[in-house]
Amino acid sequence: KQEVTQIPAALSVPEGENLVLNCSFTDSAIYNLQWFRQDPGKGLTSLLLIQSSQREQTSGRLNASLDKSSGRSTLYIAASQPGDSATYLCAVRTGANNLFFGTGTRLTVIP
Amino acid sequence: SAVISQKPSRDICQRGTSLTIQCQVDSQVTMMFWYRQQPGQSLTLIATANQGSEATYESGFVIDKFPISRPNLTFSTLTVSNMSPEDSSIYLCSVEGTATYEQYFGPGTRLTVT
Repeated sequence: KQEVTQIPAALSVPEGENLVLNCSFTDSAIYNLQWFRQDPGKGLTSLLLIQSSQREQTSGRLNASLDKSSGRSTLYIAASQPGDSATYLCAVRTGANNLFFGTGTRLTVIP
Repeated sequence: SAVISQKPSRDICQRGTSLTIQCQVDSQVTMMFWYRQQPGQSLTLIATANQGSEATYESGFVIDKFPISRPNLTFSTLTVSNMSPEDSSIYLCSVEGTATYEQYFGPGTRLTVT
């Protein structure tokens, strides 16, 4: 069974720093990988989707990479802002109806 | 992309009562998914709802506790029955994009059972 791990569980950085969030998965036979943002008590907002054939995706200050062979993905956030404070979740899809979530990284950006 | 709305956004309920959560999608979709997120935890899939057939429940979830309706291709409801404090969670409705299998989520229903 696919297992998804996110390290660290929590991260606190001063405003303006660049940071990297990590996601690892145990089975490299994936269809895609998706990064989400979740604000406290709210739903999930999709940030980036990387298909299995892709190496990275970019959206504004966010860049996500995928290394299927090593079972890793990273989410890079440039020039962090207090508004980036949230929990970031990665999810790996192995097929239709098969989506496996990590436990998330809670990010705090200090003004 | 898909835009999903849920009602209610939050509720505080008494033990032993039931709550029905509504989910509306702005486009027709074959499958709708219901997730639960307990405090401090990640997401757990409760069931998959297909229009015109019974929902498919994941291990640990049963229809008597979480009955689901799917009357058409844009709407679904999840009922949390005979609630206990352990049911306090965020309940999320979700759909997947047909072309890219990108997953979309509603804003969630935050349920507290006292």
